[in-house]
Amino acid sequence: DIQLTQSPSFLSASVGDRVTITCRASQGISSYLAWYQQKPGKAPKLLIYVASTLQSGVPSRFSGSGSGTEFTLTISSLQPEDFATYYCQQLNYYPLTFGGGTKVEIK
Amino acid sequence: QVQLVQSGAEVKKPGASVKISCKTSGYTFTSYAIHWVRQAPGQSLEWMGWINAGNGVSKYSQKFQGRVTITRDTSASTAYMDLSSLRSEDTAVYYCARRGLFGEAPFDYWGQGTLVTVSS
Repeated sequence: DIQLTQSPSFLSASVGDRVTITCRASQGISSYLAWYQQKPGKAPKLLIYVASTLQSGVPSRFSGSGSGTEFTLTISSLQPEDFATYYCQQLNYYPLTFGGGTKVEIK
Repeated sequence: QVQLVQSGAEVKKPGASVKISCKTSGYTFTSYAIHWVRQAPGQSLEWMGWINAGNGVSKYSQKFQGRVTITRDTSASTAYMDLSSLRSEDTAVYYCARRGLFGEAPFDYWGQGTLVTVSS
């Protein structure tokens, strides 16, 4: 199975900060990586797919990059509604797998 | 608009089975797959399996093979996930999610989640 390691697992930041989350895959997955945002008690919400394509309706302050084994999610200017947990997911091989999550909290 | 609406919370005893429904609307049911993902309290997301809503073929994570069955009813645009031989470790929120049938599409729409509690 493909292991996805997210770092950091916890991040404390202020409104307006630039935030970067990393996802490393245990083997190459081309660009078949998605990022999701999850708020407490809610289902995950798709932000980015194929590593860098922004899902319709997602603010442009979110961006993704990477290919192969290393990927990043960047929030250019953190907004109050962005405080949540973020997960990466690889979609290249079954079983599909998720990272352990990065919780973004208010400093 | 696309919607996936899941059945309500369940409380089950160890050894029992649970069947969760995922009723879809707003798109052509048979043109997509439905995947099932669970999330134990405070944990990450865990993929369980999926069904091609077009041809009804299901595939499962090896971890759940033999305990999980995913089916669909095209006339009701609904998918179902049946998990048997429940144990306390199966306590989790279970989600259904839509995925395109071609390419390496992501999970673009999710159900609201169904809490399953396994307790004696």
